[in-house]
Amino acid sequence: EVQLVESGGGLVQPGGSLRLSCAASGFTFSSYWMSWVRQAPGKGLEWVANIKQDGGEKYYVDSVKGRFTISRDNAQNSLYLQMNSLRAGDTAVYYCARVYSSTSGKGLDYWGQGTLVTVSS
Amino acid sequence: EIVMTQSPATLSVSPGERATLSCRASQSVSSNLAWYQQKPGQAPRLLIYGASTRATGIPARFSGSGSGTEFTLTISSLQSEDFAVYYCQQFNNWPWTFGQGTKVEIK
Repeated sequence: EVQLVESGGGLVQPGGSLRLSCAASGFTFSSYWMSWVRQAPGKGLEWVANIKQDGGEKYYVDSVKGRFTISRDNAQNSLYLQMNSLRAGDTAVYYCARVYSSTSGKGLDYWGQGTLVTVSS
Repeated sequence: EIVMTQSPATLSVSPGERATLSCRASQSVSSNLAWYQQKPGQAPRLLIYGASTRATGIPARFSGSGSGTEFTLTISSLQSEDFAVYYCQQFNNWPWTFGQGTKVEIK
């Protein structure tokens, strides 16, 4: 059974840092692109970052470039999001998700339960 | 950035009726589009990818169509468990972007 379990969320002051983790199991983690997606309270979904299977390609939404870093450890089946210089606007539930890709198209086919990050003084 | 616009914002439908949700892209995304369902307090669930292919385990009452800039998600006969928020997402260009969502509520 595919499982993605996020951890590391919490309350942090503006300007602070947090590192989110996502533990993957039930599939060959090293074979998939992975994503972070966030959802502010009562709002819609926002894609945040992607990382290729070997970590060699990374993409970010403009609003987090230079502040957030996505990484992975395939030996530990883990995905990470290092978040620095946090702002109130970063307050959200952060989901990790697996990128399914086929000749028919792409989709985020498995999601974790999410971890809440609250940026407030 | 490709802007995804969903309409309507809220759709009121009676159980057993058909629901038609729209998603428009600000520029062509070819068929690189997915649909998700999200219920309160839950993570999103992939319904459709490649604009028209149902994900594993998704009932046949869900169907997707369209290409380029205009897409539709149709739920042929709404069941009680289908009342939720639905999002489209494009995968054609970075950054990947979501629509703002359509809430399907009980009429």
